[in-house]
Amino acid sequence: DAGVTQSPTHLIKTRGQQVTLRCSPISGHKSVSWYQQVLGQGPQFIFQYYEKEERGRGNFPDRFSARQFPNYSSELNVNALLLGDSALYLCASSSRAGWPQHFGDGTRLSIL
Amino acid sequence: GQQLNQSPQSMFIQEGEDVSMNCTSSSIFNTWLWYKQEPGEGPVLLIALYKAGELTSNGRLTAQFGITRKDSFLNISASIPSDVGIYFCAGHLNTGNQFYFGTGTSLTVIP
Repeated sequence: DAGVTQSPTHLIKTRGQQVTLRCSPISGHKSVSWYQQVLGQGPQFIFQYYEKEERGRGNFPDRFSARQFPNYSSELNVNALLLGDSALYLCASSSRAGWPQHFGDGTRLSIL
Repeated sequence: GQQLNQSPQSMFIQEGEDVSMNCTSSSIFNTWLWYKQEPGEGPVLLIALYKAGELTSNGRLTAQFGITRKDSFLNISASIPSDVGIYFCAGHLNTGNQFYFGTGTSLTVIP
């Protein structure tokens, strides 16, 4: 079975632009979480969705939003990009909210 | 937010040596996870722990859920070059739905 897949793998944007990142969970997993990982640090929680509803939100500005679709895939949107948004964005899925999560390889976002 | 402190921050060891690292928190967690991350990849789940005192192995890796529920430990026996990477702990509180990640321990194995 395929693991968590994320697209695109790399993305370059300029300040002020908007970006959409995509994630497909492991088949059968209904929970998807998004994390931001800055170089040299551990992943920081952004959102969790379970059964298409937001179940958790980390300490990120309203420029960050997400949604989960009926097939349990998910999108993360970031508006008005700042230089500080440059990071690896990771998606993780689990069978249920709060259960051990399995990660994709991330989207490397660079802001110029 | 919750802060998980991992130590040591980095380790340089000879192939064949055993490795020990730990993760501590000021909060009580009900689940501890250990991940390994290699360059250009996402974290890979190594071990999951669900109750205080639990000791779980995965090959040469052994992890323990601390009895205070505020810490966890990971040991790697007889290290090999492919053990190189950054090891992260992650904890889950009884409330909320997020996992909190530690600061990471970078492991270098010298052949």
